[in-house]
Amino acid sequence: AQSVAQPEDQVNVAEGNPLTVKCTYSVSGNPYLFWYVQYPNRGLQFLLKYITGDNLVKGSYGFEAEFNKSQTSFHLKKPSALVSDSALYFCAVRDRDTGRRALTFGSGTRLQVQP
Amino acid sequence: EAGVAQSPRYKIIEKRQSVAFWCNPISGHATLYWYQQILGQGPKLLIQFQNNGVVDDSQLPKDRFSAERLKGVDSTLKIQPAKLEDSAVYLCASSSGLAGGAGELFFGEGSRLTVL
Repeated sequence: AQSVAQPEDQVNVAEGNPLTVKCTYSVSGNPYLFWYVQYPNRGLQFLLKYITGDNLVKGSYGFEAEFNKSQTSFHLKKPSALVSDSALYFCAVRDRDTGRRALTFGSGTRLQVQP
Repeated sequence: EAGVAQSPRYKIIEKRQSVAFWCNPISGHATLYWYQQILGQGPKLLIQFQNNGVVDDSQLPKDRFSAERLKGVDSTLKIQPAKLEDSAVYLCASSSGLAGGAGELFFGEGSRLTVL
């Protein structure tokens, strides 16, 4: 089985401050890990993914994420938050060693950036 | 490049009525997914196709939900009869790679269903 946990329903941060949105995962084998962002009344937009190799992955809009195998985590980070980053963020996982599974998503974390 | 197209964007029906949602994936994408997103939750997979074959429909409530992708391109998701708990956004996504690969999913804007 594969699963994702996003322990925070909401994260509040002031504009210009660094932000972190947490994600932990569980798979039987090795993971493919993804972050998506969702704006109101819109579909999900891809931000970045980890497949293999460098544990620090850089993505769209200045976001990055760090894969930590020992802690089974894939936290999303940004050095300086913008008000326009306010949205719903989803972490997702696929176990690459157990067949043709689709992505399993977490419950989402709402990011609120205050001006 | 055109994105994933879905219609209708919004639908309101009475319980026990039927509804159908249509999805046109990105051209050339072999794998197509239908996810259900209930308010306040993450997307949950309903069905996954690779070309016109079903890869995974283990979470599809088959007594009321059906989906098809006849020519390996467009797909239709049907609910009959609808229940109150089917109120959700139905998201279609596609990916260029084969099922289970490393490719990211590209999502449409979703079809919001309200069952009264």
